[in-house]
Amino acid sequence: EAGVAQSPRYKIIEKRQSVAFWCNPISGHATLYWYQQILGQGPKLLIQFQNNGVVDDSQLPKDRFSAERLKGVDSTLKIQPAKLEDSAVYLCASSPTQGGDTQYFGPGTRLTVL
Amino acid sequence: AQSVSQHNHHVILSEAASLELGCNYSYGGTVNLFWYVQYPGQHLQLLLKYFSGDPLVKGIKGFEAEFIKSKFSFNLRKPSVQWSDTAEYFCAVKPYYGNNRLAFGKGNQVVVIP
Repeated sequence: EAGVAQSPRYKIIEKRQSVAFWCNPISGHATLYWYQQILGQGPKLLIQFQNNGVVDDSQLPKDRFSAERLKGVDSTLKIQPAKLEDSAVYLCASSPTQGGDTQYFGPGTRLTVL
Repeated sequence: AQSVSQHNHHVILSEAASLELGCNYSYGGTVNLFWYVQYPGQHLQLLLKYFSGDPLVKGIKGFEAEFIKSKFSFNLRKPSVQWSDTAEYFCAVKPYYGNNRLAFGKGNQVVVIP
């Protein structure tokens, strides 16, 4: 079974630039999550999709972050404009359903904002 | 909102030593509990989980964790570690009801010296 795919793996940008990350979940998984992991901390949920609908985006900084999952499969997370404090690893995860199921994580995208 | 505490962020021990990592959470309701592990250069993967039933849970690679409801704890243990157990370990908690959000602790960086 193929795992969660993410690209790019690394990205370096200057502050005020924009950046986008892509995630392809495990086939058949209805729920998709984006997490932000700052160095020295655990992952923090940014947004959760159930199919192509948003379930929880209460921790997403909506003034600069946006995410979509238009066809209910792969997803894109965008930051515009980026700030220095956005430097982190952005993790994508998926699970079969929304409930207590295990989440399966991708390798992450390491973003450095200069 | 639930929170998760992991102490002793950095742990260094020799092979064959015993390992115990503490995890405490603050949430009064029913929870699902997880330990995830991230080996160097790899993505987060599930070590073990507790949903219900026997509070002593056995996971992969000889790890086990005990859920003590009265103490709001879910400590991870391994009787005899190997060099290959060098990794970062994250405890995570998800309310069974409510926001359904998976909350992670800050992690424990474990280094096993051969």
